[in-house]
Amino acid sequence: KQEVTQIPAALSVPEGENLVLNCSFTDSAIYNLQWFRQDPGKGLTSLLLIQSSQREQTSGRLNASLDKSSGRSTLYIAASQPGDSATYLCAVRPGDDKIIFGKGTRLHILP
Amino acid sequence: DAGITQSPRHKVTETGTPVTLRCHQTENHRYMYWYRQDPGHGLRLIHYSYGVKDTDKGEVSDGYSVSRSKTEDFLLTLESATSSQTSVYFCAISGGDRGLPGELFFGEGSRLTVL
Repeated sequence: KQEVTQIPAALSVPEGENLVLNCSFTDSAIYNLQWFRQDPGKGLTSLLLIQSSQREQTSGRLNASLDKSSGRSTLYIAASQPGDSATYLCAVRPGDDKIIFGKGTRLHILP
Repeated sequence: DAGITQSPRHKVTETGTPVTLRCHQTENHRYMYWYRQDPGHGLRLIHYSYGVKDTDKGEVSDGYSVSRSKTEDFLLTLESATSSQTSVYFCAISGGDRGLPGELFFGEGSRLTVL
């Protein structure tokens, strides 16, 4: 059974710092991995999608990497801003399409 | 916005009553999902659909049923609501023309309170 873990559950960093969020999964047989952002009381917004054949994807200040063999993905945020404060979730899509989510990392950027 | 709407957005009901949540999409996505989100548990898959009349159970399907009679609509039904089903319910879609292959898009959520 696929399990997705995100550590830490919460993180506070000063504005301007670069930071890394972690996502690990137990079964490397995945179709893709996707990172989302969720603001309080809102739905999930897609940030980056990495297909199983890819190693990384970039969008602006965000860079996501994927290492299937070790069951790990990281989301790198450069030059953090207070507007980056949100909960970040990763999700893996296995072959049966039952997309599984981690519980998220709640990020707080200190002004 | 990937053309996905959920209704109702908020609902308060009493234990034992039936409840139906609707997810509507306008971009011909093949896959549709229902998740519930609860503090401490994160997002958990209830049911999903991989085509019209094709559905499968997720990890927390007990007490829920779904139907998909046309591509655009995926209905989630609580036959007899219980307090444990108080939650925020999210619909998600993928496999359409928008976004990257396999990219998942979410609705804004439906907040259900069962008294």
